Amino acid sequence: AQKITQTQPGMFVQEKEAVTLDCTYDTSDPSYGLFWYKQPSSGEMIFLIYQGSYDQQNATEGRYSLNFQKARKSANLVISASQLGDSAMYFCAMREINTGTASKLTFGTGTRLQVTL
Amino acid sequence: DVKVTQSSRYLVKRTGEKVFLECVQDMDHENMFWYRQDPGLGLRLIYFSYDVKMKEKGDIPEGYSVSREKKERFSLILESASTNQTSMYLCASSAQGAPSNSPLHFGNGTRLTVT
Repeated sequence: AQKITQTQPGMFVQEKEAVTLDCTYDTSDPSYGLFWYKQPSSGEMIFLIYQGSYDQQNATEGRYSLNFQKARKSANLVISASQLGDSAMYFCAMREINTGTASKLTFGTGTRLQVTL
Repeated sequence: DVKVTQSSRYLVKRTGEKVFLECVQDMDHENMFWYRQDPGLGLRLIYFSYDVKMKEKGDIPEGYSVSREKKERFSLILESASTNQTSMYLCASSAQGAPSNSPLHFGNGTRLTVT
């Protein structure tokens, strides 16, 4: 079964607008963490934001915020005030704390975001 | 800053060749990982290692092996390269016992083409 699902292969957003990238997950481990990474065309993987399963508040990092809905098992990334430099591939990933080994991450298939003028 | 270095950015190999992809990290991390990235499939874990000479299969280990003789170096080996192993390969590392919110640190990737 797919553990991380990203249903949007590609998204377009106009500069200065907000955009939401969807991520749903599946785990039976009550303790887990959710990560978002950005991959520009250069190929590097840039860590953006983290949400723990027991965190009471939604995570925020600058223009990035996470809309965490535990009951729905979703962890959507919200980018506010989009910039041209936000054009990239975005990956959602999960770490299962109790059942996982060696801190590995399981990734989704990614969403390619294109910011337009 | 953690630095994860993959020795080659681009590689072109022939079918049947033995291929070595090398990865070195400079932060004394115990855990190291090899992922492959393909369009529409995201990143998939091939193998990982949590200590020198220790290795575990990931989700897609078939056709690959690994070597971890030194803590800082983790090698991915394609015993007999095939065209379906044409892909982007990403190495990552993390510290043992790090907080659960610690991200993996990635190298810049090796784009392997098998012809």
